Amino acid sequence: DAMVIQNPRYQVTQFGKPVTLSCSQTLNHNVMYWYQQKSSQAPKLLFHYYDKDFNNEADTPDNFQSRRPNTSFCFLDIRSPGLGDAAMYLCATSEKHLPNEKLFFGSGTQLSVL
Amino acid sequence: QKEVEQDPGPLSVPEGAIVSLNCTYSNSAFQYFMWYRQYSRKGPELLMYTYSSGNKEDGRFTAQVDKSSKYISLFIRDSQPSDSATYLCAMIDPRDKIIFGKGTRLHILP
Repeated sequence: DAMVIQNPRYQVTQFGKPVTLSCSQTLNHNVMYWYQQKSSQAPKLLFHYYDKDFNNEADTPDNFQSRRPNTSFCFLDIRSPGLGDAAMYLCATSEKHLPNEKLFFGSGTQLSVL
Repeated sequence: QKEVEQDPGPLSVPEGAIVSLNCTYSNSAFQYFMWYRQYSRKGPELLMYTYSSGNKEDGRFTAQVDKSSKYISLFIRDSQPSDSATYLCAMIDPRDKIIFGKGTRLHILP
């Protein structure tokens, strides 16, 4: 009954080799978010989509890109991963914009960079 | 001063004890307060969502908000080993963005 599904659960890539993480949702929510969470740190918002409208956080590096081809799917592309990009990447959804909405998270993709 | 402060722990308590988890925040404009539970290598799961000052209870969990002190708490009664996880407080700022704490690691000892 998973509602926000992230694939793969674990991803290993090489320094500088592009990688794509995927997220799908069965909730039909309008908003999809990508967070980066490093060990023992708070989740950090990278960007979000409201429908097809893309909203980038000011401090998100250009190395991170995203695509949302339809309501159900959203992708995170890391163009040239560095060692500092090793982290858990979390996808989340909400029906509409905050604040009167709840976030639903996927199980995350743990990215390792060798 | 950080916007949201949370003791990282770890906090170890015996099974059956009452657990108290806390966060302080600096921005008096925060209006919405949440607690998330995160098991190791999993995504956060929403436990409690409150708007105003006071208490909100859901089963063994009670969320408490004191806006005058800028202090929120989560109490877990009759703690179980399955409650062992990291607990993240979170609040929504005036720009409608969620600000998370770093989380407190909780261990319930059988």
